[in-house]
Amino acid sequence: EVQVVESGGGLVQPGGSLRLSCAASGFTVSGTYMSWVRQAPGKGLQWVSVLYSAGDTYYPDSVKGRFTISRDNSKNTLYLQMNSLRVEDTAVYYCAKGRVGDYWGQGTLVTVSS
Amino acid sequence: QSALTQPASVSGSPGQSITISCTGTSSDVGGYNYVSWYQQHPGKAPKLMIYDVSHRPSGVSTRFSGSKSGNTASLTISGLQAEDEADYYCSSYRSSNTWVFGGGTKLTVL
Repeated sequence: EVQVVESGGGLVQPGGSLRLSCAASGFTVSGTYMSWVRQAPGKGLQWVSVLYSAGDTYYPDSVKGRFTISRDNSKNTLYLQMNSLRVEDTAVYYCAKGRVGDYWGQGTLVTVSS
Repeated sequence: QSALTQPASVSGSPGQSITISCTGTSSDVGGYNYVSWYQQHPGKAPKLMIYDVSHRPSGVSTRFSGSKSGNTASLTISGLQAEDEADYYCSSYRSSNTWVFGGGTKLTVL
Protein backbone atom coordinates (compact mmCIF):
# COMPACT_ATOMS: atom_id res chain seq x y z
CA GLU A 1 0.00 0.00 0.00
CA VAL A 2 1.32 3.43 -0.95
CA GLN A 3 1.70 5.77 2.00
CA VAL A 4 3.56 8.95 2.90
CA VAL A 5 3.85 10.22 6.47
CA GLU A 6 5.18 13.67 7.33
CA SER A 7 6.84 14.61 10.61
CA GLY A 8 9.10 17.26 12.09
CA GLY A 9 6.77 20.21 12.40
CA GLY A 10 6.55 22.39 15.46
CA LEU A 11 6.94 25.87 16.89
CA VAL A 12 10.02 27.84 15.87
CA GLN A 13 11.06 31.47 16.26
CA PRO A 14 11.49 33.76 13.25
CA GLY A 15 14.94 33.25 11.78
CA GLY A 16 15.09 29.68 13.04
CA SER A 17 15.40 26.36 11.23
CA LEU A 18 13.41 23.16 10.99
CA ARG A 19 13.74 19.93 9.03
CA LEU A 20 10.64 18.11 7.87
CA SER A 21 10.61 14.42 6.96
CA CYS A 22 8.32 12.43 4.70
CA ALA A 23 8.61 8.67 5.15
CA ALA A 24 7.38 6.73 2.14
CA SER A 25 6.21 3.14 1.81
CA GLY A 26 4.85 1.14 -1.10
CA PHE A 27 7.06 2.92 -3.64
CA THR A 28 10.57 4.37 -3.91
CA VAL A 29 11.03 8.14 -3.54
CA SER A 30 14.01 8.02 -5.89
CA GLY A 31 11.88 6.65 -8.69
CA THR A 32 9.40 9.48 -9.02
CA TYR A 33 8.85 13.21 -8.57
CA MET A 34 8.31 14.23 -4.94
CA SER A 35 6.94 17.60 -3.89
CA TRP A 36 6.26 19.69 -0.83
CA VAL A 37 3.08 21.79 -0.75
CA ARG A 38 1.96 24.02 2.09
CA GLN A 39 -1.30 25.50 3.28
CA ALA A 40 -1.40 28.49 5.60
CA PRO A 41 -4.26 28.50 8.13
CA GLY A 42 -7.54 29.16 6.29
CA LYS A 43 -5.72 29.68 2.99
CA GLY A 44 -5.14 27.80 -0.25
CA LEU A 45 -2.44 25.42 -1.39
CA GLN A 46 1.01 26.71 -2.32
CA TRP A 47 3.71 24.74 -4.11
CA VAL A 48 6.98 24.80 -2.16
CA SER A 49 9.47 22.54 -3.92
CA VAL A 50 9.96 19.55 -6.20
CA LEU A 51 12.66 16.89 -6.45
CA TYR A 52 12.80 15.01 -9.74
CA SER A 53 13.92 11.40 -9.90
CA ALA A 54 17.11 12.54 -11.67
CA GLY A 55 17.92 14.74 -8.68
CA ASP A 56 17.01 18.17 -10.02
CA THR A 57 15.36 20.51 -7.52
CA TYR A 58 13.20 23.58 -8.01
CA TYR A 59 11.56 26.19 -5.78
CA PRO A 60 9.30 29.24 -6.07
CA ASP A 61 10.94 32.60 -5.41
CA SER A 62 9.24 32.81 -1.99
CA VAL A 63 11.43 30.05 -0.53
CA LYS A 64 14.40 29.90 -2.92
CA GLY A 65 17.68 30.15 -1.05
CA ARG A 66 16.03 29.34 2.29
CA PHE A 67 14.50 25.87 1.74
CA THR A 68 16.24 22.73 0.48
CA ILE A 69 14.52 19.55 -0.65
CA SER A 70 16.46 16.28 -0.52
CA ARG A 71 16.01 12.55 -0.13
CA ASP A 72 17.71 9.60 1.55
CA ASN A 73 17.29 6.60 -0.71
CA SER A 74 18.41 4.16 2.00
CA LYS A 75 15.60 5.38 4.26
CA ASN A 76 13.13 5.98 1.42
CA THR A 77 12.50 9.39 2.96
CA LEU A 78 12.07 12.89 1.59
CA TYR A 79 13.21 15.95 3.53
CA LEU A 80 12.64 19.69 3.55
CA GLN A 81 15.29 21.74 5.32
CA MET A 82 13.84 25.15 6.14
CA ASN A 83 16.17 27.97 7.22
CA SER A 84 15.63 31.66 7.95
CA LEU A 85 11.99 30.95 8.71
CA ARG A 86 9.50 33.79 8.57
CA VAL A 87 6.09 34.27 10.17
CA GLU A 88 4.54 33.86 6.71
CA ASP A 89 5.99 30.34 6.46
CA THR A 90 3.45 29.21 9.07
CA ALA A 91 1.42 26.44 7.44
CA VAL A 92 0.62 22.76 7.26
CA TYR A 93 3.27 21.18 5.06
CA TYR A 94 2.30 18.22 2.89
CA CYS A 95 4.49 15.93 0.87
CA ALA A 96 3.00 14.58 -2.34
CA LYS A 97 4.02 11.67 -4.55
CA GLY A 98 4.49 11.86 -8.28
CA ARG A 99 4.18 14.53 -10.94
CA VAL A 100 0.45 14.71 -10.37
CA GLY A 101 0.36 14.31 -6.60
CA ASP A 102 -1.49 11.03 -6.57
CA TYR A 103 -0.77 10.41 -2.88
CA TRP A 104 -0.52 12.98 -0.10
CA GLY A 105 0.32 12.67 3.55
CA GLN A 106 -1.77 14.15 6.34
CA GLY A 107 0.63 17.05 6.77
CA THR A 108 2.73 18.48 9.58
CA LEU A 109 2.12 21.91 11.11
CA VAL A 110 4.90 24.47 11.20
CA THR A 111 4.31 27.55 13.32
CA VAL A 112 6.77 30.43 13.11
CA SER A 113 6.19 32.83 15.96
CA SER A 114 8.05 34.67 18.68
CA GLN B 1 4.42 34.27 -8.90
CA SER B 2 0.65 34.75 -9.14
CA ALA B 3 -1.80 31.96 -8.55
CA LEU B 4 -4.26 30.61 -11.09
CA THR B 5 -7.70 32.25 -10.91
CA GLN B 6 -10.66 30.26 -9.59
CA PRO B 7 -14.09 31.48 -8.43
CA ALA B 8 -14.19 31.73 -4.65
CA SER B 9 -17.41 29.73 -4.42
CA VAL B 10 -19.93 27.78 -6.46
CA SER B 11 -23.10 26.01 -5.42
CA GLY B 12 -25.61 23.56 -6.77
CA SER B 13 -28.46 21.31 -5.73
CA PRO B 14 -28.20 17.54 -5.47
CA GLY B 15 -28.39 15.95 -8.90
CA GLN B 16 -27.35 19.10 -10.75
CA SER B 17 -24.07 19.72 -12.57
CA ILE B 18 -21.58 22.44 -11.76
CA THR B 19 -18.39 23.65 -13.41
CA ILE B 20 -15.39 25.26 -11.74
CA SER B 21 -13.04 27.30 -13.91
CA CYS B 22 -9.30 27.77 -13.54
CA THR B 23 -7.76 30.59 -15.56
CA GLY B 24 -4.06 31.01 -16.16
CA THR B 25 -1.83 32.15 -18.99
CA SER B 26 -0.03 30.73 -21.98
CA SER B 27 2.91 30.05 -19.64
CA ASP B 28 0.97 27.56 -17.57
CA VAL B 29 -2.58 26.32 -18.26
CA GLY B 30 -2.56 27.29 -21.92
CA GLY B 31 0.91 26.05 -22.65
CA TYR B 32 0.90 22.57 -21.16
CA ASN B 33 -1.53 19.69 -20.67
CA TYR B 34 -0.44 19.35 -17.06
CA VAL B 35 -3.51 20.58 -15.21
CA SER B 36 -4.66 18.69 -12.12
CA TRP B 37 -7.64 19.09 -9.82
CA TYR B 38 -7.75 18.27 -6.10
CA GLN B 39 -10.63 17.89 -3.66
CA GLN B 40 -10.07 18.82 -0.02
CA HIS B 41 -12.52 18.23 2.80
CA PRO B 42 -12.07 20.25 6.01
CA GLY B 43 -9.11 19.07 8.04
CA LYS B 44 -8.12 16.50 5.44
CA ALA B 45 -5.33 16.17 2.89
CA PRO B 46 -6.02 17.03 -0.75
CA LYS B 47 -7.13 14.17 -3.01
CA LEU B 48 -6.31 13.97 -6.70
CA MET B 49 -9.47 13.99 -8.83
CA ILE B 50 -8.22 14.81 -12.34
CA TYR B 51 -4.74 14.90 -13.85
CA ASP B 52 -3.30 15.93 -17.22
CA VAL B 53 -6.44 18.00 -17.94
CA SER B 54 -8.95 15.20 -18.31
CA HIS B 55 -7.65 11.92 -16.88
CA ARG B 56 -9.33 10.34 -13.88
CA PRO B 57 -7.28 8.28 -11.40
CA SER B 58 -8.52 4.83 -10.58
CA GLY B 59 -11.27 4.98 -7.99
CA VAL B 60 -12.48 8.51 -8.75
CA SER B 61 -16.14 8.71 -9.73
CA THR B 62 -16.98 9.17 -13.41
CA ARG B 63 -19.13 12.11 -12.29
CA PHE B 64 -15.92 14.14 -12.26
CA SER B 65 -14.51 15.32 -15.59
CA GLY B 66 -11.96 17.87 -16.76
CA SER B 67 -11.35 19.90 -19.89
CA LYS B 68 -9.35 22.85 -21.17
CA SER B 69 -9.85 25.61 -23.69
CA GLY B 70 -7.07 28.10 -24.26
CA ASN B 71 -5.82 29.42 -20.93
CA THR B 72 -8.81 28.14 -18.95
CA ALA B 73 -9.27 24.67 -17.51
CA SER B 74 -12.55 23.42 -16.09
CA LEU B 75 -13.72 20.78 -13.64
CA THR B 76 -17.28 19.55 -14.06
CA ILE B 77 -19.11 17.55 -11.43
CA SER B 78 -22.34 15.95 -12.61
CA GLY B 79 -25.08 14.45 -10.46
CA LEU B 80 -24.02 16.50 -7.42
CA GLN B 81 -24.02 14.63 -4.13
CA ALA B 82 -23.76 15.92 -0.58
CA GLU B 83 -20.32 14.30 -0.22
CA ASP B 84 -19.00 16.49 -3.04
CA GLU B 85 -19.17 19.53 -0.77
CA ALA B 86 -15.51 20.50 -0.32
CA ASP B 87 -12.81 22.87 -1.51
CA TYR B 88 -11.42 22.29 -4.99
CA TYR B 89 -8.01 23.40 -6.24
CA CYS B 90 -6.52 23.36 -9.71
CA SER B 91 -2.81 23.23 -10.36
CA SER B 92 -0.66 23.53 -13.44
CA TYR B 93 2.91 23.18 -14.54
CA ARG B 94 4.36 26.59 -15.27
CA SER B 95 7.43 27.19 -17.41
CA SER B 96 10.91 26.93 -15.81
CA ASN B 97 10.10 23.84 -13.80
CA THR B 98 7.69 25.48 -11.40
CA TRP B 99 4.15 24.59 -10.40
CA VAL B 100 1.27 26.81 -9.42
CA PHE B 101 -2.07 26.30 -7.69
CA GLY B 102 -5.34 28.14 -8.01
CA GLY B 103 -6.77 30.02 -5.06
CA GLY B 104 -9.39 27.35 -4.43
CA THR B 105 -13.16 27.13 -4.85
CA LYS B 106 -15.60 26.25 -2.10
CA LEU B 107 -18.38 24.02 -3.42
CA THR B 108 -21.64 24.12 -1.49
CA VAL B 109 -24.30 21.48 -2.13
CA LEU B 110 -27.61 23.17 -1.31
